[in-house]
Amino acid sequence: LAKTTQPISMDSYEGQEVNITCSHNNIATNDYITWYQQFPSQGPRFIIQGYKTKVTNEVASLFIPADRKSSTLSLPRVSLSDTAVYYCLALYGSGNTGKLIFGQGTTLQVKP
Amino acid sequence: DAGVIQSPRHEVTEMGQEVTLRCKPISGHDYLFWYRQTMMRGLELLIYFNNNVPIDDSGMPEDRFSAKMPNASFSTLKIQPSEPRDSAVYFCASSSSALSNEKLFFGSGTQLSVL
Repeated sequence: LAKTTQPISMDSYEGQEVNITCSHNNIATNDYITWYQQFPSQGPRFIIQGYKTKVTNEVASLFIPADRKSSTLSLPRVSLSDTAVYYCLALYGSGNTGKLIFGQGTTLQVKP
Repeated sequence: DAGVIQSPRHEVTEMGQEVTLRCKPISGHDYLFWYRQTMMRGLELLIYFNNNVPIDDSGMPEDRFSAKMPNASFSTLKIQPSEPRDSAVYFCASSSSALSNEKLFFGSGTQLSVL
């Protein structure tokens, strides 16, 4: 059964590093894992995407182990404005029978 | 580019009425997706199109739901008749290439309330 699983919520304080892990067994072998950020009353917004090992951009890092059964989004030194819901997205199957399945979202609350 | 544009932003209607949600994807994007978001079920894919052709509509909950894409710059999601359990935020998203290898660009959503 295709399922993308992540923690429902996390709390952090400003300046801390936050790591959010998503489990995604049996995903497509040749496709990316993608993470999105969503603020209230807005659509999800792309943060980062990776295939394996580590990817880093100006806002986050993404760690993906060799078996690709999980991925970890790392937000360095979070601020209050990083309070949002974070979703991972993975593809199950392939071609036109493949299905993109979002995790249920992790609500990150950053406290002062 | 203005991004993905959805209308209306909010829709309040009574049970039994027809509801039409509209979406204009980013120019040049070949894929268009309709998602529904609720507290209980999160983000669910309803249907997606490739080059205006519906590819997978297995997420459409019932025959009351229908979606069309008459051209590359416009899509509609229709609910007829609407029911209170259809209340949710409906997002449209577009992407430029293969199913997952390119990032999805989401609109701001339509908040639907069926009374």
